Amino acid sequence: ETVMTQSPVTLSASPGERATLSCRASQSVSSNLAWYQQKPGQAPRLLIYSASSRATGIPARFSGSRSGTEFTLTISSLQSEDFAVYYCQQYNNWPRTFGQGTKVEIK
Amino acid sequence: QVQLQQWGAGLLKPSGTLSLSCSVHGGSFSEYFWTWIRQAPGQGLEWIGEINPDGSTNYNPSLKSRATISLDTSEKSFSLNLNSVAAADTAVYFCARSPTWTDTRGHYSAYFDRWGQGSLVIVSS
Repeated sequence: ETVMTQSPVTLSASPGERATLSCRASQSVSSNLAWYQQKPGQAPRLLIYSASSRATGIPARFSGSRSGTEFTLTISSLQSEDFAVYYCQQYNNWPRTFGQGTKVEIK
Repeated sequence: QVQLQQWGAGLLKPSGTLSLSCSVHGGSFSEYFWTWIRQAPGQGLEWIGEINPDGSTNYNPSLKSRATISLDTSEKSFSLNLNSVAAADTAVYFCARSPTWTDTRGHYSAYFDRWGQGSLVIVSS
């Protein structure tokens, strides 16, 4: 099984700040990686797929990148609606696996 | 606008069978993989399994063959059965749509771009 490890577990930041979330895969997943945002009581929402492509309707402040098996989600300037939990997910290997999540909270 | 609407029993006794269904409104049904994902209270997301338009399935080995996913193309719906449930199966269960990606060897499920609203299933005696 491909283990996805996210860091940090919790990120405390203020509105307007830049947020950088990391996700590391235990083996190659190529660029077959997605990022999701989840708010309490809601289903996850797709933000990024193929490591760096924004999903339909996702603001440009969200961006993704890849370096080998390390992936990064960057939120360039945090808005109030961005405080949530973020998950990475690989779809290169079976079973499909998610990271444990990074909670972005208001500082 | 594509919507996934799910339903099923919310309270089960240990050793019983979980049954959930998900209907797809709008968009194509035959061009996607259809997936079940769960989230235990306060925990992360766990992929349960998927079914492709031809009816072929893949499951998470962690479920030890307890899961079965089936497709009803005429009704544009798919279902999950999970037998021999225990308290550890208590979770919110989501259905989701997965676009496909292709390489020289075949077609595969990708990310999850549409989700159902989630169904809380509690296993308790």
